[in-house]
Amino acid sequence: DAGVTQSPTHLIKTRGQHVTLRCSPISGHKSVSWYQQVLGQGPQFIFQYYEKEERGRGNFPDRFSARQFPNYSSELNVNALLLGDSALYLCASRGQVRYNEQFFGPGTRLTVL
Amino acid sequence: SQQGEEDPQALSIQEGENATMNCSYKTSINNLQWYRQNSGRGLVHLILIRSNEREKHSGRLRVTLDTSKKSSSLLITASRAADTASYFCATDGGGADGLTFGKGTHLIIQP
Repeated sequence: DAGVTQSPTHLIKTRGQHVTLRCSPISGHKSVSWYQQVLGQGPQFIFQYYEKEERGRGNFPDRFSARQFPNYSSELNVNALLLGDSALYLCASRGQVRYNEQFFGPGTRLTVL
Repeated sequence: SQQGEEDPQALSIQEGENATMNCSYKTSINNLQWYRQNSGRGLVHLILIRSNEREKHSGRLRVTLDTSKKSSSLLITASRAADTASYFCATDGGGADGLTFGKGTHLIIQP
């Protein structure tokens, strides 16, 4: 079975632009979460979606938004990019058992110039 | 914000030695998980320990959890060069707020 997939792998944008990152969870997983990892830090939680509804949101500005589609894939959108948005964006999926491990994708490396 | 604090921030040992990393956290948890990350790539899940468990083993990994001290440790026995990576602990409060990660321990195994 394929693991969590993310696209694109790398992305370079300029300040003020917007970006859309994509994630496909493991087959059968209905929960998708997004994390931002700035260089030298641990990942920080951005959003959690389950059954196409937002179930949790971290401490990120409204420039960050996400959605989950009927096939449980997900998009993370960031508007009005700032230099500080440069980071590795990680997507994770989780199975139907609520309290279990999350499986992470390889991430999208976003550089904002 | 980061809840967990891993200690040490960096650790360099010889191949074959054991490596121990510690993690402290602040709030109550449902479970605690350890992840490995190679060179800024995706996270690999290593082991999950529930709040009612005190110790868990998986291959060369041993994890302990002390909820009274809000701390956990990860022991990697008989280290190998391939164990070189950053290791993160992450707490799960059981709600919808995702995992809360520490800053990680960078482990270097010298051949």
